[in-house]
Amino acid sequence: GENVEQHPSTLSVQEGDSAVIKCTYSDSASNYFPWYKQELGKGPQLIIDIRSNVGEKKDQRIAVTLNKTAKHFSLHITETQPEDSAVYFCAASSGRTSYDKVIFGPGTSLSVIP
Amino acid sequence: DVKVTQSSRYLVKRTGEKVFLECVQDMDHENMFWYRQDPGLGLRLIYFSYDVKMKEKGDIPEGYSVSREKKERFSLILESASTNQTSMYLCASSYPQGMVGYTFGSGTRLTVV
Repeated sequence: GENVEQHPSTLSVQEGDSAVIKCTYSDSASNYFPWYKQELGKGPQLIIDIRSNVGEKKDQRIAVTLNKTAKHFSLHITETQPEDSAVYFCAASSGRTSYDKVIFGPGTSLSVIP
Repeated sequence: DVKVTQSSRYLVKRTGEKVFLECVQDMDHENMFWYRQDPGLGLRLIYFSYDVKMKEKGDIPEGYSVSREKKERFSLILESASTNQTSMYLCASSYPQGMVGYTFGSGTRLTVV
């Protein structure tokens, strides 16, 4: 069935270093790839998304890349700060409607060490 | 600031009790969702609704039901709570068009004893 894999499950980086989280998806019909950040005690929050007609998107220190041929996409955080510590979820959907099935990855727990 | 509000942060219920989890959004979103979050399993969709009085089963609907009598409110009902329903429950909402993200509530951590 449809699946989104995410690696690594945990990641520790020194403050100021970069962090990379990678996801792969199985459904070739997927066209929309959001990323969510979940801080402790809070619900997930959309931080960036990318659509299949775009290979890369950047928003300040965060960037996402998409390789549709290989069915993988990645989140890159540069110049990490302690407030980046959270669980990050990738997701994939066809994007035809907002209730088309969204498959979430299992999450990556990022720790930024001051 | 737009919001999805879940009525309880923590709940402790006994096995066999009927449990209501309430979710209210103030963004006039058509779509609302209930997810369950468990360690290592990510987010799993229980039910969703794309209109008032409409509901659709997600991936794990067994043991749950939902109610959407008003656009802004989506309730998750555990008909007879069991210990394997101990979990974090997340409500989300969105506009109906594709390629839009979800707005999540802060979650309700339910413990069934």
